[in-house]
Amino acid sequence: SQTIHQWPATLVQPVGSPLSLECTVEGTSNPNLYWYRQAAGRGLQLLFYSVGIGQISSEVPQNLSASRPQDRQFILSSKKLLLSDSGFYLCAWSVQPSRSGYTFGSGTRLTVV
Amino acid sequence: AQSVSQHNHHVILSEAASLELGCNYSYGGTVNLFWYVQYPGQHLQLLLKYFSGDPLVKGIKGFEAEFIKSKFSFNLRKPSVQWSDTAEYFCAVSGDSSYKLIFGSGTRLLVRP
Repeated sequence: SQTIHQWPATLVQPVGSPLSLECTVEGTSNPNLYWYRQAAGRGLQLLFYSVGIGQISSEVPQNLSASRPQDRQFILSSKKLLLSDSGFYLCAWSVQPSRSGYTFGSGTRLTVV
Repeated sequence: AQSVSQHNHHVILSEAASLELGCNYSYGGTVNLFWYVQYPGQHLQLLLKYFSGDPLVKGIKGFEAEFIKSKFSFNLRKPSVQWSDTAEYFCAVSGDSSYKLIFGSGTRLLVRP
């Protein structure tokens, strides 16, 4: 069966420090991968998605970047965190999102101090 | 622009009360619709989905939703809520052959015992 792993679960980082959040999927090949940020009262905001290795689409211009070095690995990064980067980050995967929806990871709670 | 509106941000009900959560979308073309639920401390989970056929869709845990194309709506219903239904509920839409799901801002439901 397919599983999605996301880590760390919680992270406290100072302003200006770098960020690396990792997401891996098991049990499937060539998944579509997504990074969302969930903010209170604002729902889920799509940040990046990838349909293949090295293919990244950015939805919201901001202080973050994403990479997909391997088929089932998706990384969210920042060179210098801002206070406004605090939030709950969710990774998700799909095969055919228009019909099957997404499967979400357990999320990372990032607090920038 | 594609969007999803959930007008009720917070809903408080007593056990056994009936539930209806509103969802309206703006999307050109054929749509697929989803409701997700996030129980406290848990992953986002798919509650139900619609992509064709009977516009009344039944999901897990006694939930159902009705797609009304003329009203661009996909409201979630449950005839009798339980304390365990306390969660945040998200409506989402995608277009056929789209890679992306667009989420609403969510509705926090509190069911009082």
